[in-house]
Amino acid sequence: KNEVEQSPQNLTAQEGEFITINCSYSVGISALHWLQQHPGGGIVSLFMLSSGKKKHGRLIATINIQEKHSSLHITASHPRDSAVYICAVRDTGGGADGLTFGKGTHLIIQP
Amino acid sequence: KAGVTQTPRYLIKTRGQQVTLSCSPISGHRSVSWYQQTPGQGLQFLFEYFSETQRNKGNFPGRFSGRQFSNSRSEMNVSTLELGDSALYLCASSPQVGSEQFFGPGTRLTVL
Repeated sequence: KNEVEQSPQNLTAQEGEFITINCSYSVGISALHWLQQHPGGGIVSLFMLSSGKKKHGRLIATINIQEKHSSLHITASHPRDSAVYICAVRDTGGGADGLTFGKGTHLIIQP
Repeated sequence: KAGVTQTPRYLIKTRGQQVTLSCSPISGHRSVSWYQQTPGQGLQFLFEYFSETQRNKGNFPGRFSGRQFSNSRSEMNVSTLELGDSALYLCASSPQVGSEQFFGPGTRLTVL
């Protein structure tokens, strides 16, 4: 079973700063997901990637399959980016255990 | 397209009772997954269904069960509720197993 580690657990930054959240996993995967969860519980899928890099607006996600590592970057951070960011992976071989989740990174962007 | 809907949104039960939660996926999505979220354990995978068949099951006791209907709607059932079952239960749908998932708002279950 995959072990997913995220860092940092908590991050407070000023508006406009460049943010990086890291995710590492222990065994091979077929896909990695980045999710955003706001207070109240709603979860939004930000990215699903299996190689390379994806960009959506101010968000960029990268993955290094050889190093079993992914990063989520937020450029020009804004208070509305304050949320919990969760990394999740699906193992290779069909992912018999479904998605395995990291503990999340609590991000606060101060104005 | 309407998003994933879950009913009820909030539920209060007592120990020993059973509960059924419902999930309606996005139209055209044939895969539905269920997750439990607690402050202590975070998000954990419960089940995954595709075309009425359970494809995967997480490490939960047999008190947790589910099913998927021919219209892709899904239900999960928890019998003999325990205090530790208090959690946010999230459903997510996707067109196929392994594709991007779209999450519902969740059902917050409190067991007293």
